[in-house]
Amino acid sequence: GNSVTQMEGPVTLSEEAFLTINCTYTATGYPSLFWYVQYPGEGLQLLLKATKADDKGSNKGFEATYRKETTSFHLEKGSVQVSDSAVYFCALAPGGSNYKLTFGKGTLLTVNP
Amino acid sequence: DADVTQTPRNRITKTGKRIMLECSQTKGHDRMYWYRQDPGLGLQLIYYSFDVKDINKGEISDGYSVSRQAQAKFSLSLESAIPNQTALYFCATSDGVETQYFGPGTRLLVL
Repeated sequence: GNSVTQMEGPVTLSEEAFLTINCTYTATGYPSLFWYVQYPGEGLQLLLKATKADDKGSNKGFEATYRKETTSFHLEKGSVQVSDSAVYFCALAPGGSNYKLTFGKGTLLTVNP
Repeated sequence: DADVTQTPRNRITKTGKRIMLECSQTKGHDRMYWYRQDPGLGLQLIYYSFDVKDINKGEISDGYSVSRQAQAKFSLSLESAIPNQTALYFCATSDGVETQYFGPGTRLLVL
């Protein structure tokens, strides 16, 4: 079956530090890959996505590249801000018309001033 | 106004009680989902509906039921609540492509 493994948190960084959150997946076929973010007290919202190998998703200074050879979709940001403190979820959707998402367990990021 | 709303936002109930969580959306999407979030476990799919007449079980449907009253409304019921159903519940919608839009969540405590 499909699965997503992401690095366990919590991750604590100082403002302006570099962020990497690792995500690897197992899936048959050609899934689409996503990063969702959950700010405190809110629902999840899409941060970025990539639908095929070598695509790079980007948004709000965050980036992730779909690496089929390593089955990875690591999230990166060059300089984090306090407002980036949230829980980050990696997810996949199988190829074809099945749009059920499989989520990783989430990584809590705390950015200190 | 929010595109996906959930009521109630918080609920405390007792073991054995029947409760209903409601979800409404103004996005005009056909597809709606119910998820459960437990600390350290990510989100697990309970039920999903691709249109009013199409309802499907997800990974963890036991102990839950759903009703799709209209395109815009999708309710989740716990027929007889038990303490291990204490969790954060999210409703989501999509328009047939992959991005899902989530409501703010309902925090449920079963005593």
